[in-house]
Amino acid sequence: GQQVMQIPQYQHVQEGEDFTTYCNSSTTLSNIQWYKQRPGGHPVFLIQLVKSGEVKKQKRLTFQFGEAKKNSSLHITATQTTDVGTYFCAVRDSGSARQLTFGSGTQLTVLP
Amino acid sequence: EAQVTQNPRYLITVTGKKLTVTCSQNMNHEYMSWYRQDPGLGLRQIYYSMNVEVTDKGDVPEGYKVSRKEKRNFPLILESPSPNQTSLYFCASGYRGDVFYGYTFGSGTRLTVV
Repeated sequence: GQQVMQIPQYQHVQEGEDFTTYCNSSTTLSNIQWYKQRPGGHPVFLIQLVKSGEVKKQKRLTFQFGEAKKNSSLHITATQTTDVGTYFCAVRDSGSARQLTFGSGTQLTVLP
Repeated sequence: EAQVTQNPRYLITVTGKKLTVTCSQNMNHEYMSWYRQDPGLGLRQIYYSMNVEVTDKGDVPEGYKVSRKEKRNFPLILESPSPNQTSLYFCASGYRGDVFYGYTFGSGTRLTVV
């Protein structure tokens, strides 16, 4: 499947600070998805981006898809303890449109 | 409630003893998949199924088998488990026709092979 690099692997922030995680690919992506996994939980679908330069917001979360469709970011404004978890990006395989390859995830810790 | 149900949630077994992890979805999804999750390695795909009787290997299929005899069920079979298969396993489903709104994951099965 396609390879996607996700950074950073870990991030500790103070509550109220912002947080950003990035996904990068060497190839053009048809779309990108973001998932959140709470500690001890399972991944939960957050959003899908398909258009070049697309920006979508969900409350304090902002998702961006790069103009070249090779990178994406998830930004959380003013983190809260409820944001704790691991955030994964996932990309659709070009050979099999229904396959997803997941990034290694960014584990977010929010310090109260 | 739309969901993917995995069983069991926790399993400790011994090397070589065949086991099956069940997965069932009630959303009429065509696509189902198994992933394993290991620290620092993210989610790696084991097998996937595009529809009934259609299965294919993912990135880490060695030591695993699957079957898709019915649309709703996609069991994962370990014929002869080994300690390196100790992991957290997730089943996921998606797609109804050509519509994909993201995977729905089961709650996971934590497997320990001793």
